[in-house]
Order: sequence, then C-alpha cells, then structure tokens
Amino acid sequence: NAGVTQTPKFQVLKTGQSMTLQCAQDMNHNSMYWYRQDPGMGLRLIYYSASEGTTDKGEVPNGYNVSRLNKREFSLRLESAAPSQTSVYFCASNPGITEAFFGQGTRLTVV
Amino acid sequence: KQEVTQIPAALSVPEGENLVLNCSFTDSAIYNLQWFRQDPGKGLTSLLLIQSSQREQTSGRLNASLDKSSGRSTLYIAASQPGDSATYLCAADTGGFKTIFGAGTRLFVKA
Repeated sequence: NAGVTQTPKFQVLKTGQSMTLQCAQDMNHNSMYWYRQDPGMGLRLIYYSASEGTTDKGEVPNGYNVSRLNKREFSLRLESAAPSQTSVYFCASNPGITEAFFGQGTRLTVV
Repeated sequence: KQEVTQIPAALSVPEGENLVLNCSFTDSAIYNLQWFRQDPGKGLTSLLLIQSSQREQTSGRLNASLDKSSGRSTLYIAASQPGDSATYLCAADTGGFKTIFGAGTRLFVKA
C-alpha cells in the first residue's frame, strides 16, 4: 500500500526555470492538496482539488498552477521559478472530513 | 481568519517524563482538530483526529483533548521515549477544504 507518492524528492532549479511536481494516491480519495512548508511556519495550502475535474486556490496560489489529471494524480507546476518558492512541498489526500495522508515531500531549492 | 498557535516551539525532556503539547486556535467553528508527527526530512503522519463533537481521543501513550469553547487542544504523551523525538503539529479543519496548521513543537526526549 503506497499511500501518497511524490516525485521528485529533491530538485534544484535556476530562477526562471519551470518544473512540475507529481503526486499520486492509491487510496481512491476524492480530495487532494498541495502545501508548502517553510521554516518556523505551519503548512500553507497552495491549491486543492475537492474531486476529479475541479481545482481551487488555497492561501498562497501565486506563481503556481495545478492539474487534477484523474482521481489518482494531482500535479503542481511552477512556470517561472523564483527564490521565494524555495520550500518543502507536500501533497496530501483524504476521503472527506477525516484524517489526511501526506506524501514524503519534495525539497525544492531555487537559486 | 483562523489562526493556530503552538507553544512552546521546542521542548526537551528526560526519558520517562509525561508531557503536554499545547495548541490554540482563534475560531471555535472547526470540524475537527488533528495532531500529526513529522520526523526530520519526512512527511506528516496522522496521530489522532478529534471530531468537533468529541472531547478527546486516545491511541496508546497518546491522548488528545479538545475544548472548542476555549479554543484549545492538548496532546498528552505518557512515559516519553527517545523515539518520540519529532516535531508535532496540530491542524484545525475549518471546512471548505481549508485546514490551518500550527508551526509545530519540536520535541527532544533525552535518553
């Protein structure tokens, strides 16, 4: 049972480069989320998808786009990376108002 | 706007001690309150989830309580062990797919 799988685990980008973070869950959950975690701060919601085919902005969506490709997969794209986007990114899923399951995170550095 | 605060930011205790981690939230209109554990470089693991209608949940040596009227939740860890060393985060589900996280308490249990 893999749960929530994120790729890649580590990435270094130059300012202005683009990349896509991948997330897949095998628990048949409707809802999926992308968070970022910065030192001394709690996780902040970037985007979420309540169900397949829908996406909505969270607290800090600027500079990001998302795609809910199917029920299993939810990707996060940085079109033009900036140093302020250096962070640890987490994908999560849950079946509703119950406990959330998190991926292992992607540590992104933008230089 | 919901805000979640965790105090202290860091805590060091000797092995065997009972301890309490605190979480406070500003808006009592929550659906649930969840406690997570995060090991260095890892994702979040759900420990306990308390629904808004509940007062507490227990799992092994862990007990979490919820007092919505005062905007507080506590995580009690009995007979602490070095393996309990990690960062503990609380998160308040405010509905609408918005979960607000605290910044966490970093716990170190000395052998």
